[in-house]
Amino acid sequence: AQSVAQPEDQVNVAEGNPLTVKCTYSVSGNPYLFWYVQYPNRGLQFLLKYITGDNLVKGSYGFEAEFNKSQTSFHLKKPSALVSDSALYFCAVREDSGYSTLTFGKGTMLLVSP
Amino acid sequence: DAGVIQSPRHEVTEMGQEVTLRCKPISGHDYLFWYRQTMMRGLELLIYFNNNVPIDDSGMPEDRFSAKMPNASFSTLKIQPSEPRDSAVYFCASSLKGTGASPLHFGNGTRLTVT
Repeated sequence: AQSVAQPEDQVNVAEGNPLTVKCTYSVSGNPYLFWYVQYPNRGLQFLLKYITGDNLVKGSYGFEAEFNKSQTSFHLKKPSALVSDSALYFCAVREDSGYSTLTFGKGTMLLVSP
Repeated sequence: DAGVIQSPRHEVTEMGQEVTLRCKPISGHDYLFWYRQTMMRGLELLIYFNNNVPIDDSGMPEDRFSAKMPNASFSTLKIQPSEPRDSAVYFCASSLKGTGASPLHFGNGTRLTVT
């Protein structure tokens, strides 16, 4: 079975400061890991993914995420937050064998203050 | 590419009425998914199709829910009869075939309110 945990319901950060949104996962085999962002009244939007290779993955809008196999984590980061980054962020995982559906975390609300 | 298109964006109906939600996936995508999002339960996968064939409908809440995909460019999710607890945002998503590395592309959802 596969699962995702996003331990924080909400993350607050001031504009210009670095941000981190945490995610840990559990799969039987190797993971495919994804981050999505959801703005109000919109669908989820793909940000970035880790499949294999470099543990630091870069994605849209200046976001990046670091895969850590020993800690089974895939934290989302950005060096300098913008007010417009305020949104709901979802981490998701699936196993790399065959085709399994994505398992989403419950989401973390990011609030960036001016 | 227009992305995944869902209609209607908002639906308000009375308990007991039939509701039909519609989805047009991205052209060339082989997988189609229906999700439901609520504050209490988060994102729930209801059903998904591969090449228009339903693969897993274990997330469909009960027999009142049904989904079809008559062709590669159209899918419907029907609720009959609707109940107030069905109120939620329903999302359709599609993805390319192949490995599980393909991300999902979501539509903007249908907000359903059952009174």
